[in-house]
Amino acid sequence: DSGVTQTPKHLITATGQRVTLRCSPRSGDLSVYWYQQSLDQGLQFLIQYYNGEERAKGNILERFSAQQFPDLHSELNLSSLELGDSALYFCASSVDGVRVGNIQYFGAGTRLSVL
Amino acid sequence: LAKTTQPISMDSYEGQEVNITCSHNNIATNDYITWYQQFPSQGPRFIIQGYKTKVTNEVASLFIPADRKSSTLSLPRVSLSDTAVYYCLVGDGLRGNTPLVFGKGTRLSVIA
Repeated sequence: DSGVTQTPKHLITATGQRVTLRCSPRSGDLSVYWYQQSLDQGLQFLIQYYNGEERAKGNILERFSAQQFPDLHSELNLSSLELGDSALYFCASSVDGVRVGNIQYFGAGTRLSVL
Repeated sequence: LAKTTQPISMDSYEGQEVNITCSHNNIATNDYITWYQQFPSQGPRFIIQGYKTKVTNEVASLFIPADRKSSTLSLPRVSLSDTAVYYCLVGDGLRGNTPLVFGKGTRLSVIA
């Protein structure tokens, strides 16, 4: 158990809909990352939050957005869903600050199926 | 970020030692080498990290030569449960909290 909790585990929805994925980081971790893993694209970084603020942006579509709340949990919002958004979405967290060895701990993921 | 190259796949029998080598010719002075393991439909799991020479933990060993242009993950006496994808990542160890860049990884299949 990595200590990172993601809900729900599975999500089935239709095209055009909107969903919210939730992540609770490990106790004490201030950074939260979102990654998308699909069969043809591998593991892709989407976005990072650090203590409530957006820190880095990767290949995140404009239809997707995220935020990190004061209690440090994060939500990834996916809207106007398309078939191609079907994938595993992982959340990871890491210790804050300038620390050698960037080690991230991943949750079990949310499997999104868009029908 | 330093680019990494590792074999696409490897097969091994149970009980054997498996060595997976990763090339990173453009590794920078501040870069650390980190390996993750991923089982199907699960999130990647940190295995081991090192900067130079040899690092060992309860799961694996990491060998890094003096020029640091490659590294070898060594898994002793593998079992069927070690079947997974193994990723080698190279990143700035002085700047924590940066996104990880995953390549294709090495798909290890352990055969009985």
